Amino acid sequence: DMKVTQMPRYLIKRMGENVLLECGQDMSHETMYWYRQDPGLGLQLIYISYDVDSNSEGDIPKGYRVSRKKREHFSLILDSAKTNQTSVYFCASSLQGNTLYFGEGSRLIVV
Amino acid sequence: GQQVQQSPASLVLQEGENAELQCNFSTSLNSMQWFYQRPGGSLVSLFYNPSGTKHSGRLTSTTVIKERRSSLHISSSQTTDSGTYLCALEPGGSAKLIFGEGTKLTVSS
Repeated sequence: DMKVTQMPRYLIKRMGENVLLECGQDMSHETMYWYRQDPGLGLQLIYISYDVDSNSEGDIPKGYRVSRKKREHFSLILDSAKTNQTSVYFCASSLQGNTLYFGEGSRLIVV
Repeated sequence: GQQVQQSPASLVLQEGENAELQCNFSTSLNSMQWFYQRPGGSLVSLFYNPSGTKHSGRLTSTTVIKERRSSLHISSSQTTDSGTYLCALEPGGSAKLIFGEGTKLTVSS
């Protein structure tokens, strides 16, 4: 059905708590991405995954880690969330860097 | 400096007018994509256009690699075209897309 699904869509966490954002796709795309979007900064790449256990840092990886144990799932983990990680997080997938398909976004507020 | 610059930052049109959105880049290009984003919404791919001209309904995308620019033309704009248009380029085959900050389009009736 060509869909990228993100969970949860909305999340409020206290500073120092752990955060798990999950992303799934049903297109067997080998490449998956995590971006964050902030006003005035646009979309910034956090991590890219080229396939299972083949992950690479993007432009702003500090404070984040990722996990890709199955091709269809890509998780973003924040160990000890900080207030400056309040943002909207987008997952995307593509076939060999071609057209990107985005999820609906996960809005995270860290208080 | 920024590798991808979009102009204008914002644009207000009356329904029926045409729009020309620009994306200029300062790095090598492996691919160029255009996306549409509704306020508070996700991004939807409009074009994957590494070079040349592509059409889709009222939309036309033109990428000229030698001039390091890509444009998105919207003809006969409608109120439902309102939103933010983003271009993104992939330099050098890494699959890591770099996004511009977008053009916010408002079409009023």
